[in-house]
Amino acid sequence: QTVVTQEPSLTVSPGGTVTLTCSSSTGAVTSAYYPNWFQQKPGQAPTSLIYTTVRKQSWTPARFSGSLLGGKAALTLSGAQPEDEADYYCLLLYGGLWVFGGGTKLTVL
Amino acid sequence: QVHLVQSGPEVREPGASVKVSCKTSGYTFTSYGVTWVRQAPGQGLEWIGWINANNGRTNYAQNFQGRVTMTTDTSTSTAYMELRSLRFDDTAVYYCVRDYDYNVDVWDKGTTITVSS
Repeated sequence: QTVVTQEPSLTVSPGGTVTLTCSSSTGAVTSAYYPNWFQQKPGQAPTSLIYTTVRKQSWTPARFSGSLLGGKAALTLSGAQPEDEADYYCLLLYGGLWVFGGGTKLTVL
Repeated sequence: QVHLVQSGPEVREPGASVKVSCKTSGYTFTSYGVTWVRQAPGQGLEWIGWINANNGRTNYAQNFQGRVTMTTDTSTSTAYMELRSLRFDDTAVYYCVRDYDYNVDVWDKGTTITVSS
């Protein structure tokens, strides 16, 4: 069973920068896994932030960016705002089947 | 504007089946796929499967193989997900999401399915 791993929790100061990562039990994450990133606030449905590693949705704030970092998919938040406090999930593609990471709870404090 | 609107909450007994609908608008239905995701209370997201709205081809997560069927009705631009042999741990919010070219983008608010005796 493929496992996608994210940091369970991270904390960032307002205005600070934080990087969330997404790793695969099968080895290094590459662009061929087409990483997607989602934000979910309490009581709400998830919203898409990033797809195919680096591409932003039209509604994605400029402070969010996606990349590959050290064999992992990464979501970087530069200039954190209080409203960025949320759960973040990555999604990786394995031969036609998607697998979610366990999620990262991001606190802005 | 792209919209996906799911059917309302359902309560089922263990062993029963449930079928959730997802009516779409604002885009060409057959040019995209529909992904289904669920989230149990207090838990993370779980990918259930995907259907190509143009040709009906499906991919299901191993955990749901044999219990789930995804279909579409192109005449009404609606996708459906049926889950059978329900168990208590199938209690969750089920989401339909538009999916195209590795971009899982627009989500509906979700449908709450409760399995209870």
